[in-house]
Amino acid sequence: GAVVSQHPSWVICKSGTSVKIECRSLDFQATTMFWYRQFPKQSLMLMATSNEGSKATYEQGVEKDKFLINHASLTLSTLTVTSAHPEDSSFYICSARVAGADTQYFGPGTRLTVL
Amino acid sequence: QKEVEQDPGPLSVPEGAIVSLNCTYSNSAFQYFMWYRQYSRKGPELLMYTYSSGNKEDGRFTAQVDKSSKYISLFIRDSQPSDSATYLCAMSDRGSTLGRLYFGRGTQLTVWP
Repeated sequence: GAVVSQHPSWVICKSGTSVKIECRSLDFQATTMFWYRQFPKQSLMLMATSNEGSKATYEQGVEKDKFLINHASLTLSTLTVTSAHPEDSSFYICSARVAGADTQYFGPGTRLTVL
Repeated sequence: QKEVEQDPGPLSVPEGAIVSLNCTYSNSAFQYFMWYRQYSRKGPELLMYTYSSGNKEDGRFTAQVDKSSKYISLFIRDSQPSDSATYLCAMSDRGSTLGRLYFGRGTQLTVWP
């Protein structure tokens, strides 16, 4: 149980385009989903927290207009990187939390490369 | 000062060795403690989860929490090459309605045959 999937697993795009990453909880309902960014040999950096049906809460320094998060259902959250630039190239990982629990289950990550 | 400190290593041990991984923290409000294992280019996988001081054992893994010292450990017995990965400690303040986790930097472990 507690499986989280992400799609796509990797994506290469041109500078200026937008990229959407999906995060799904496959066998449980996730009231809260988190989006992280990870640079090589660095730990996870929390970007934003999203609760189903409400606006995401962004961490300081994360541009909400650049990283659009939609948590439309209890099993799906999406992160859209708008007008991507090479500095947005990174490993993006989502996690999901069941209501009342303090553990998070992570997706396999999406590697974004912006040319 | 970061809320969670973890030595990034790298740590290299022979197969069969006992591995000790550690984290310290400064926020006494943390009550829930987790260890995640992350293979290269993969998402973190939950290994151990505990919410009290003392030891918790699961197979070859033992998680230890000392709240008085604000120190947590993960021990791996009879380490295997397949244990080679980055190990991340994480902790949570139960009072946070957002359920945010605070992560250490991760320790890179290599177990050589």
